Amino acid sequence: EDKVVQSPLSLVVHEGDTVTLNCSYEVTNFRSLLWYKQEKKAPTFLFMLTSSGIEKKSGRLSSILDKKELFSILNITATQTGDSAVYLCTRSGTSYGKLTFGQGTILTVHP
Amino acid sequence: DTAVSQTPKYLVTQMGNDKSIKCEQNLGHDTMYWYKQDSKKFLKIMFSYNNKELIINETVPNRFSPKSPDKAHLNLHINSLELGDSAVYFCASSLGTDSPLHFGNGTRLTVT
Repeated sequence: EDKVVQSPLSLVVHEGDTVTLNCSYEVTNFRSLLWYKQEKKAPTFLFMLTSSGIEKKSGRLSSILDKKELFSILNITATQTGDSAVYLCTRSGTSYGKLTFGQGTILTVHP
Repeated sequence: DTAVSQTPKYLVTQMGNDKSIKCEQNLGHDTMYWYKQDSKKFLKIMFSYNNKELIINETVPNRFSPKSPDKAHLNLHINSLELGDSAVYFCASSLGTDSPLHFGNGTRLTVT
């Protein structure tokens, strides 16, 4: 089974800090890597990455993919308490919509 | 609102019972999924339907039977519920293979 490994498993920071979340994956049949944010309910989509070295940004969040080293990072700058959530990394392969998820990083931002 | 909606939100039932979870999406997507999230937060795919046809069927016990009456609906029926079936079940949809999934809010199933 294709593996996705995230680190750290949990992270506690204070508002205003910058955090970097890591995701490594196996290369078999790789198509894209996606990041989701899960608060109490549904995971919500953040980024989809298919090309190496191209940073995607949305406000204080950004993400980049390294297809040579098989990893991605998610950066959050100037963290806010509303960023507290589980961040899920997932990769898609050739099977239709079959995403392999990592175990998630639990981010807690204290005021 | 455009969304993926699933019902019920919570389901508490006894071992051996049969239950169903319903899912509907009004996003115009052609592919729908069921994912299971266990207590360790791992999301694992169970089933995927594209235009009402089953395309992914992971190693799920045959007590679980998905049904897609049309592109906008994918229901999950579970027979003879077991304690280990307790989890949060997420429905999701997407437009094609390479589009991000949109998830419903989940159904928390507790089997006692």
